[in-house]
Amino acid sequence: DGGITQSPKYLFRKEGQNVTLSCEQNLNHDAMYWYRQDPGQGLRLIYYSQIVNDFQKGDIAEGYSVSREKKESFPLTVTSAQKNPTAFYLCASISTTLTREKLFFGSGTQLSVL
Amino acid sequence: AQSVTQLDSQVPVFEEAPVELRCNYSSSVSVYLFWYVQYPNQGLQLLLKYLSGSTLVKGINGFEAEFNKSQTSFHLRKPSVHISDTAEYFCAVRKVDQGAQKLVFGQGTRLTINP
Repeated sequence: DGGITQSPKYLFRKEGQNVTLSCEQNLNHDAMYWYRQDPGQGLRLIYYSQIVNDFQKGDIAEGYSVSREKKESFPLTVTSAQKNPTAFYLCASISTTLTREKLFFGSGTQLSVL
Repeated sequence: AQSVTQLDSQVPVFEEAPVELRCNYSSSVSVYLFWYVQYPNQGLQLLLKYLSGSTLVKGINGFEAEFNKSQTSFHLRKPSVHISDTAEYFCAVRKVDQGAQKLVFGQGTRLTINP
């Protein structure tokens, strides 16, 4: 079955450490997204990519970085510059247009600071 | 600019009672609206979507929503809820930004079903 796989499910970060969250999809989707979820704030867009080797900043990109070297993969790195990284991170993907497809979500990664 | 407001952060109801989760949007262009559900420690699943046509949209799990253009609302309803409906619900509107399609989400409404 096709879907989006996020790993790990839980991740702990030490002060000053960079950590990378994995997102893989086998849906042949062009566009991929990273959202951050904090209680009471809904989902906020961090980065998105419409095509391989291209990505754009979302609303809260500071302290994060991404790459899109393969269509299937869109890893998110939480850098030491992100001072408040504790949150639930969701990856999503879609084919070409929201008018035809729904946004598929992964099961999320909970990141906590040690 | 498109934005979404969910008017209630928490909604407690008794099992088998009806429920309405409110959502208002602001948009200056054609509107595509969505409701997503999130169960604990999981990603989001699409409940239903409004793209065009009939203003009453039926989704999964017995939910439905009505698009009201004059009131800029897209409230989610279910006539009789079940314990398993306990979850967080998100309203979203499509946004086009420099040719890229994105969803703008509301703050979420936590639905709690009491026996």
